[in-house]
Amino acid sequence: DTQMTQTPSTLSASLGAGVTITCRASQNIGNWLAWYQQKPGKAPKLLIYRASSLENGVPSRFSGSGSGTEFTLTISSLQPDDFATYYCQQYKTYPWTFGQGTKVEIK
Amino acid sequence: EVRLLESGGGLVQPGGSLRLSCVASEFNFNTYAMTWVRQAPGKGLEWVSSMSANSVTTQYADSVKGRFTISRDNSKSTLYLEMSSLRADDTAVYYCAKDREQWLLRGAFDVWGQGTMVTVSS
Repeated sequence: DTQMTQTPSTLSASLGAGVTITCRASQNIGNWLAWYQQKPGKAPKLLIYRASSLENGVPSRFSGSGSGTEFTLTISSLQPDDFATYYCQQYKTYPWTFGQGTKVEIK
Repeated sequence: EVRLLESGGGLVQPGGSLRLSCVASEFNFNTYAMTWVRQAPGKGLEWVSSMSANSVTTQYADSVKGRFTISRDNSKSTLYLEMSSLRADDTAVYYCAKDREQWLLRGAFDVWGQGTMVTVSS
């Protein structure tokens, strides 16, 4: 199975700050990576697909990059609505696997 | 509005069975692969099973293989997950999710249901 490891597990940041979350795959997944945002009690929301493509309706302050085994999700300027947990997911090979999540908290 | 609505969750004893349903609306259900993802209380997301748009291809996580069966009825725009031999570690919120791209079993999910809770306990 392809293991997905996110760092950090928790991130504290202030409004307006730029933040980066890293996701590493245990094997080459090309660009078959998605990023999701999840708020407590809610379903995940797709932010980025194919590593760097912004999903329709997602603010441009979100961006994704990377290929192969190392990927990043960047939020350029944190807004109140962005405090949530973020997951990466590979869909190169079965079983599709998610990272363990990164919780972005208010500093 | 594109929507997915799950139902069928509840409390079941270990070893028991349950069938989840997911009704889709406002999109051409029969042209999209569909997936079940679960989330145990306080834990992360776990992919469970996927089915292609034409029902020909199915995939399962090892943790549920042989116990869970995914199916769909395109005439009813409904996805199902038949769960049997349930265990305590199957306790989770179960989400159905729509593949972002038509026809392909691709794996990025752009529409999710609200989830249905399954609790396996005696």
